[in-house]
Amino acid sequence: RKEVEQDPGPFNVPEGATVAFNCTYSNSASQSFFWYRQDCRKEPKLLMSVYSSGNEDGRFTAQLNRASQYISLLIRDSKLSDSATYLCVVYGGSQGNLIFGKGTKLSVKP
Amino acid sequence: GAGVSQSPSNKVTEKGKDVELRCDPISGHTALYWYRQSLGQGLEFLIYFQGNSAPDKSGLPSDRFSAERTGGSVSTLTIQRTQQEDSAVYLCASSLAAAYRTDTQYFGPGTRLTVL
Repeated sequence: RKEVEQDPGPFNVPEGATVAFNCTYSNSASQSFFWYRQDCRKEPKLLMSVYSSGNEDGRFTAQLNRASQYISLLIRDSKLSDSATYLCVVYGGSQGNLIFGKGTKLSVKP
Repeated sequence: GAGVSQSPSNKVTEKGKDVELRCDPISGHTALYWYRQSLGQGLEFLIYFQGNSAPDKSGLPSDRFSAERTGGSVSTLTIQRTQQEDSAVYLCASSLAAAYRTDTQYFGPGTRLTVL
């Protein structure tokens, strides 16, 4: 099983749609979780951290399910500018390193 | 303020040649990371520098890869005797990171390396 797995997509949705991405991780000792966004041929940028109780930032909601070892990202009212690849990132702990998923590509159409 | 900068932005080289990639982190950031991203793949960790501590080289794929960080600031990633499978985008990131590696990482624009 890969350390961090994501559905590569692409997810093609119309503007205004709600879309959800899931990510699973293999290391049950993982301590911290993040979503990064990467635009085409650009560098990744932190979108949001994921907290155990779930957290929201505007149209974006992140949730963590430790028992099932998955993380989700929900985007409401999609905008054209949301089109990007969303990277699920997990910190394994014990001075390990961030493990990046391969990303899920989102394309929002007019 | 200025972000992470990398140079060159693109590098085309012939198989067997050595290349040097440069990273200027954000001023004041003590942690510096190198990753590479091959086409259609996720980011692959290469090496991590934290202050004056010995670097974590656990991600380097072979002894052809090395990196140094001078004066706790600028870093250079060197690939010797390049192979075609080294072709990728090499990304550098920096963070304030004190005790943990989970501080927000700010990425540079990357160097796209093509080995012919």
